[in-house]
Amino acid sequence: SQTIHQWPATLVQPVGSPLSLECTVEGTSNPNLYWYRQAAGRGLQLLFYSVGIGQISSEVPQNLSASRPQDRQFILSSKKLLLSDSGFYLCAWSRRSEQFFGPGTRLTVL
Amino acid sequence: AQSVSQHNHHVILSEAASLELGCNYSYGGTVNLFWYVQYPGQHLQLLLKYFSGDPLVKGIKGFEAEFIKSKFSFNLRKPSVQWSDTAEYFCAVNWNNAGNMLTFGGGTRLMVKP
Repeated sequence: SQTIHQWPATLVQPVGSPLSLECTVEGTSNPNLYWYRQAAGRGLQLLFYSVGIGQISSEVPQNLSASRPQDRQFILSSKKLLLSDSGFYLCAWSRRSEQFFGPGTRLTVL
Repeated sequence: AQSVSQHNHHVILSEAASLELGCNYSYGGTVNLFWYVQYPGQHLQLLLKYFSGDPLVKGIKGFEAEFIKSKFSFNLRKPSVQWSDTAEYFCAVNWNNAGNMLTFGGGTRLMVKP
């Protein structure tokens, strides 16, 4: 069966510090991968998606970037965090159009 | 741009009350429709989905949703809620011309009072 992992689960970072959130998927090959941000009362905002290694599409211009160095690994990064980057970050993979979500990372930028 | 609207942001019900959460989406051709649920402290998980066929879809835990094409709606229903249904509910739409991309509504927080 397929599983999706995210780490860390929670993170508190100062403004201006770098960020690296990791997502890995097991049990499937060549998945489509997604990064979302969930802000209170605003639903899920798609940040990036990837259809293969090295292929990244950005949905929202912002302070973040994504990379896919391996087939089942998806990384969300920032060089300098802003206060507005605080939120709950979810990784997902899809089979057809059904998406399966990881446990998320709660990021607080102080 | 294609959009998904959930008009109820917060809903408070007593146990055994009936539930209906609204979901409307913008026109954009053929769609696949989903309801996801996020229980406190848990992963976002699929409640039910519609791809084709019977527009009344049965999901887990007694939930159902009805696709009404003419109204661009996919409302979620449950005849009798339980305290354990307290969660946040998200409607999501995949337009067939958008690959596997999902667009989510803003979510509805449901609190069920015992």
